[in-house]
Amino acid sequence: QVQLVQSGAEVKKPGSSVKVSCKTSGGSFSSYAISWLRQAPGQGLEWMGGIIPIFGIPNYAQKFQDRVTITADESTSTAYMELSSLRSEDTAVYYCARSLNLNDRMLFWGQGTLVTVSS
Amino acid sequence: EIVLTQSPGTLSLSPGERATLSCRASQSVGSSYLAWYQQKRGQAPRLLIYGASRRATGIPDRFSGSGSGTDFTLTISRLEPEDFAVYYCQQYGSSSITFGQGTRLEIK
Repeated sequence: QVQLVQSGAEVKKPGSSVKVSCKTSGGSFSSYAISWLRQAPGQGLEWMGGIIPIFGIPNYAQKFQDRVTITADESTSTAYMELSSLRSEDTAVYYCARSLNLNDRMLFWGQGTLVTVSS
Repeated sequence: EIVLTQSPGTLSLSPGERATLSCRASQSVGSSYLAWYQQKRGQAPRLLIYGASRRATGIPDRFSGSGSGTDFTLTISRLEPEDFAVYYCQQYGSSSITFGQGTRLEIK
């Protein structure tokens, strides 16, 4: 079955960057979309952007356009999300999720990665 | 972007009762590209409904979705203890995916 396994929790200083990985297994990696979403403590879900590995062209939410980079490595079936210029408001659980297309319902989810931004 | 507003914010019901959750969009959601998710504390969300009314794989038939355009509803016909959680709607009919703020379903 499809599994998405994310990298571990991170603690970062304001102004730094974080890179979270999402390794997938089961099914085809290249042909399906991987999205990145986040959830601040006690808050709702926020879509940050996504990528279809075989095309390699990401689509970003406008809010994160200038700070997020989403990439995919087909050789290792791993997707990455890098967020720069971190501030305290970026403290959240970050999820990767797989869907059939870039703008689609999220079929499978990673377990989440807690990123804490604190001085 | 399309803004989704869920109501109520919190719904207090007892097991066996019927739950009705609402999701209203700021503009029409194309082709009913509306999904519902369930999230339990400390877990990732789980897809329940997509295409406004289609149950995802393995979802019990007590969960049903309806609606079109700007008004959508998730109904749980008879609440089981494991159904008490937070529910989110999501639209994927535009180039930017958005979620509602969630409805917390709690035991009365």
